[in-house]
Amino acid sequence: DTGVSQDPRHKITKRGQNVTFRCDPISEHNRLYWYRQTLGQGPEFLTYFQNEAQLEKSRLLSDRFSAERPKGSFSTLEIQRTEQGDSAMYLCASSFRNSYNEQFFGPGTRLTVL
Amino acid sequence: GDSVTQMEGPVTLSEEAFLTINCTYTATGYPSLFWYVQYPGEGLQLLLKATKADDKGSNKGFEATYRKETTSFHLEKGSVQVSDSAVYFCALSVETSGSRLTFGEGTQLTVNP
Repeated sequence: DTGVSQDPRHKITKRGQNVTFRCDPISEHNRLYWYRQTLGQGPEFLTYFQNEAQLEKSRLLSDRFSAERPKGSFSTLEIQRTEQGDSAMYLCASSFRNSYNEQFFGPGTRLTVL
Repeated sequence: GDSVTQMEGPVTLSEEAFLTINCTYTATGYPSLFWYVQYPGEGLQLLLKATKADDKGSNKGFEATYRKETTSFHLEKGSVQVSDSAVYFCALSVETSGSRLTFGEGTQLTVNP
């Protein structure tokens, strides 16, 4: 399968703990996007990378959130000191330079903060 | 800023009925427009897209036409099937904003046999 993969698919944690999610984009896709989707809502943009450079961060991305893409391939999204309001589906998408607006989504990581 | 407004759901139809899901948008630049579909337990999939005014996107019997004058991109299908039951999201992206997607709130469609 050469699609976008995300790990883990589900994460349950206690409030105040740190969590890290991983996204592996489609090979050769140089853009990678993170979105967050809460129940009954559409996904909301968090941040994106072009190769290893993080080019934009949403105001939704508080300083408890950090994302990296160190070698321009996979990316990690870390949430420190989780809060119950962080419970959501975290989606990753990737796209290729010939068609940046055509994004391919992974299955998502569902985070539940107790 | 950019925004997308979809008709409120949920929508329940009988098999072979005609489907319309309304979508309107506001954008700071010239957007590309998309419909994504999310089947139960699955990830978001691109259903169709249109990149300039009067373009018609189509796929799997679904169609949507980019109407700049009314800032709309309504999704239509002439005869829905039970397998079309899913959540449908209208979205836009603007190249000068990094092509990030701005989504509507989604419309849940249920098709009964």
